[in-house]
Amino acid sequence: AQKITQTQPGMFVQEKEAVTLDCTYDTSDQSYGLFWYKQPSSGEMIFLIYQGSYDEQNATEGRYSLNFQKARKSANLVISASQLGDSAMYFCAMREGDAGGTSYGKLTFGQGTILTVHP
Amino acid sequence: NAGVTQTPKFQVLKTGQSMTLQCAQDMNHNSMYWYRQDPGMGLRLIYYSASEGTTDKGEVPNGYNVSRLNKREFSLRLESAAPSQTSVYFCASSEWRGELWPQHFGDGTRLSIL
Repeated sequence: AQKITQTQPGMFVQEKEAVTLDCTYDTSDQSYGLFWYKQPSSGEMIFLIYQGSYDEQNATEGRYSLNFQKARKSANLVISASQLGDSAMYFCAMREGDAGGTSYGKLTFGQGTILTVHP
Repeated sequence: NAGVTQTPKFQVLKTGQSMTLQCAQDMNHNSMYWYRQDPGMGLRLIYYSASEGTTDKGEVPNGYNVSRLNKREFSLRLESAAPSQTSVYFCASSEWRGELWPQHFGDGTRLSIL
């Protein structure tokens, strides 16, 4: 079974509007972490935001926020006030297990969502 | 401020040829990783090295070998390249900073096998 599922292969948004990119995950661990990365057409991987499984508040980083619904096992990325430079591939990823233990920071990635921002 | 450096950036091989992808980090991180990225599949972990002197298999290790040469360097070797190994390969490094384990990625190596 897929551990990270991103069901939206592609998304379109108008500049200055908000957009939500979906991510659901599957794990039996109590301790885990959820990440979002951006991959522009140039190919590099850019870390955007992180949510720990024990964090009670949703993570926010500037225009990025993570809508964490633990019971539903979802970790959706919300981008507010979209900009043309936000056009990229976005990956949701999960680190399973205790962060200080044997996870060693290993990540499992979803298939990605291509976001296109229209002017 | 190099971070994670991968060489080469592009390579074309013939089926059956061997090749080593090089990765070096200058952040004094203990853990290093090799991922491959295929269209529609996201990144998948090939091998990782939790610390100098140790290596372990990830999700898709078949057809690959790795060497953690020292704390800075982690190489990925294809002994007999196959067309199914055509992919973009990413090296990453990380260090425990509480839960975050921030991963720093290289720019990738685009490998085509004919």
